[in-house]
Amino acid sequence: GAVVSQHPSRVICKSGTSVKIECRSLDFQATTMFWYRQFPKQSLMLMATSNEGSKATYEQGVEKDKFLINHASLTLSTLTVTSAHPEDSSFYICSARELGDTEAFFGQGTRLTVV
Amino acid sequence: KNQVEQSPQSLIILEGKNCTLQCNYTVSPFSNLRWYKQDTGRGPVSLTIMTFSENTKSNGRYTATLDADTKQSSLHITASQLSDSASYICVVSWGGGYNKLIFGAGTRLAVHP
Repeated sequence: GAVVSQHPSRVICKSGTSVKIECRSLDFQATTMFWYRQFPKQSLMLMATSNEGSKATYEQGVEKDKFLINHASLTLSTLTVTSAHPEDSSFYICSARELGDTEAFFGQGTRLTVV
Repeated sequence: KNQVEQSPQSLIILEGKNCTLQCNYTVSPFSNLRWYKQDTGRGPVSLTIMTFSENTKSNGRYTATLDADTKQSSLHITASQLSDSASYICVVSWGGGYNKLIFGAGTRLAVHP
């Protein structure tokens, strides 16, 4: 299967700071990328969908000004958690899909801890 | 309401034994059903994907079944290995749009020696 690389795998930041998470498709062009959030022992919850060159579409209840998503190229999307708070501590996962392909591939995830 | 329910919530088996995980869904319209394996602290990895017309699909020691009439799916793991210890997530695609995925809570499988 195709490879999606997510970086960093773990990050600890202080409350009030911003954190950027990168999601790269290594061997295909990701026209669509998805960002998920997962709390312990819970399902993945879709946060937003981004298409290359367009603004992201956020799910209900997800603050777009807090979770900034940029999908400026066909191989890279970034999620920036702004003014992070302890309640933002979670596991963030991206997935990427190529145009016309029904399958999407997940990154390894990023464990964010806000202290 | 579109939902995906998995059972059991957790399961412990001995290495070499078989096990079956269950998934019931109420998603409509249905597009496809996927099973993923998620190791702790990692992203999900696809095991199988089945459309409405498929009722079984295998991937090595993993065999998934789908009964679209009863809206049930199962994932059978044969001759379990320690590396099978993970969460197994059932995901149903709703209405054909990829972003409309409904995730189950997963079954946490522990394989003991």
